Amino acid sequence: AQTVTQSQPEMSVQEAETVTLSCTYDTSESDYYLFWYKQPPSRQMILVIRQEAYKQQNATENRFSVNFQKAAKSFSLKISDSQLGDAAMYFCAYRSGETSGSRLTFGEGTQLTVNP
Amino acid sequence: NAGVTQTPKFQVLKTGQSMTLQCAQDMNHEYMSWYRQDPGMGLRLIHYSVGAGITDQGEVPNGYNVSRSTTEDFPLRLLSAAPSQTSVYFCASSYKGVFYEQYFGPGTRLTVT
Repeated sequence: AQTVTQSQPEMSVQEAETVTLSCTYDTSESDYYLFWYKQPPSRQMILVIRQEAYKQQNATENRFSVNFQKAAKSFSLKISDSQLGDAAMYFCAYRSGETSGSRLTFGEGTQLTVNP
Repeated sequence: NAGVTQTPKFQVLKTGQSMTLQCAQDMNHEYMSWYRQDPGMGLRLIHYSVGAGITDQGEVPNGYNVSRSTTEDFPLRLLSAAPSQTSVYFCASSYKGVFYEQYFGPGTRLTVT
């Protein structure tokens, strides 16, 4: 079974600075997809960014980008120019490409605080 | 579109009681899932469905039942509530595509005393 690990339970960053959240995963599969979700205090799960394992190019979405290291099984999230609205719990998630359906395996989460 | 809706938003049960958490989606998505979120453990998959009439167990299925009689609805039943089932429950739906991107409902906070 696949596992996802987020080793940083809490992180903090100053407004306008850059922060990187770590995620590692364990799998024997070659076809899979990785995601970062944001969960603000409202509890709503919001997709931030996604990456296909067979694409070498790192995904970017505005101020959010990933550093995908397939050999190291690492998928970190970089938030540039941090804003107060970025404060939330962030979850890394894995989806197997070898099974049908939409089952996600989540990491434990990282609580991000943004200081003004 | 309302997206994915869940009712109720909050619920308190006594040990041994049963109840059904409702989930509906109006996006005609084939796939639906139930997750529970506990502190320090992220979200864990309880049950999922790949279409009407087809369900399967996820990582933590014990104590829960599901059925999928229509594409739109995917209720989660707690048969005999236990304090260990105190959690926040999320329903999600997705469509067949490269990413099978999941759309989450707003969650139900359940407390079992």
